[in-house]
Amino acid sequence: EVQLVESGGGLVKPGGSLRLSCAASGFTLTTYSMVWVRQAPGKGLEWVSSISSGSSFIKYADSVRGRFTISRENAKNSVYLQASSLRGEDTAVYYCARKADGDYDWYFDLWGRGTLVTVSS
Amino acid sequence: SYELTQPPSVSVSPGQTARITCSADALAKQYAYWYQQKPGQAPVLVIYKDTERPSGIPERFSGSSSRTKVTLTISGVQAEDEADYYCQSADSSGTYVFGTGTKVTV
Repeated sequence: EVQLVESGGGLVKPGGSLRLSCAASGFTLTTYSMVWVRQAPGKGLEWVSSISSGSSFIKYADSVRGRFTISRENAKNSVYLQASSLRGEDTAVYYCARKADGDYDWYFDLWGRGTLVTVSS
Repeated sequence: SYELTQPPSVSVSPGQTARITCSADALAKQYAYWYQQKPGQAPVLVIYKDTERPSGIPERFSGSSSRTKVTLTISGVQAEDEADYYCQSADSSGTYVFGTGTKVTV
């Protein structure tokens, strides 16, 4: 089955860190760009970060730049998001998603179920 | 960056037609995409490149575009279509933007 499964969420204190993982199965991650998207409780979707297939192109939303780091290990079919200096406003469900396979296809055709990150003292 | 503006809510009776709009000047140059999200679930792509429907998405879902506004239309709405709907686009630098979201109540 083609799927993405996120893990690594949990409760963390303000200023703390967390590493989120996204494991892909049923397809080869190698050729796809991947993204992280988050959704605060009761709020809309917010793009967080993107990484190209070979990790040469990485981009962050202004809200997380300098605090979050995206990476991937194609050999392990996995993508990661290292979140540091966490704030209350980072509390959200974090989704891993696959960008469609086309240079000009700027959309996400496969999503994971998400992992909840709660930042609270 | 820019914003994609959607109405907060749309209410429709079963069997009727729901129309959800998404507006931004950037849409005159960029495609829009639509996702359906039901409570507690991940988003699902329902329309891509303004008007294209992925395999497995019912024909009652359609998309249209007119300059700076795109529209998701659900014809013959069913109870199972009750969900939040988000439009999405991207700029040439690879920055993605989601719309504010529209809650469809059937």
